[in-house]
Amino acid sequence: EIVLTQSPDTLSLSPGERATLSCRASHSVRSTFLAWYQHKPGQPPRLLIYATSTRATGIPDRFSGSGSGTDFALTISRLEPEDFAVYYCQQYGASPPYTFGPGTKLEIK
Amino acid sequence: QVQLQESGPGLVRPSETLSLTCTVSGGSVSSYFWSWIRLPPGKGLEWIGHIYYTGITNNNPSLQSRVTLSLDTSKNQFSLKLTSVTAADTAIYYCARRGSAYYALPSWGQGTLVTVSS
Repeated sequence: EIVLTQSPDTLSLSPGERATLSCRASHSVRSTFLAWYQHKPGQPPRLLIYATSTRATGIPDRFSGSGSGTDFALTISRLEPEDFAVYYCQQYGASPPYTFGPGTKLEIK
Repeated sequence: QVQLQESGPGLVRPSETLSLTCTVSGGSVSSYFWSWIRLPPGKGLEWIGHIYYTGITNNNPSLQSRVTLSLDTSKNQFSLKLTSVTAADTAIYYCARRGSAYYALPSWGQGTLVTVSS
């Protein structure tokens, strides 16, 4: 099983600032198989990025993904008030389980 | 655009079976992979398993022996059964569809809270 760890656990920033969230895998993950989701209370998770760096339909270009191998990142270039949420990475590797990271909570400073 | 809606009991007694159904509209279950994910209170997302339209399933090994996934093409639904539940199975349960040509989950139901308690 591929274990994903995310850092930091909580990130406190102000609107307008840049956010960088990290996702590290216990084994190498093909770039095709790494995705990022945004989750707000009372809503289902929302797909932001798939295949490491491809934005899903309707996702603003302030969201970008990068990385390879075991180290991946989600960057939000300029935070908007609606961006404060929990962010999860997920790997859809060669075999199940298709694990999620524990999440990073992005909160308003 | 495909829409998914979970349904089932909100309260299940310990040792009993949790049964949920996901009804799909705006698309057919006769294609794609159909998944179940859960969010326990205070914890992160957990992938439970998925079923392909052919009926092939893959489950999380941590739950494998307790999970059964099925598909009903006549009703355009897919279902989850989780046996021998405990309080640790209390969670919001989501159904979701995998992308057609990529490995991620773009389409989700709203989620349903299932509480395991006597």
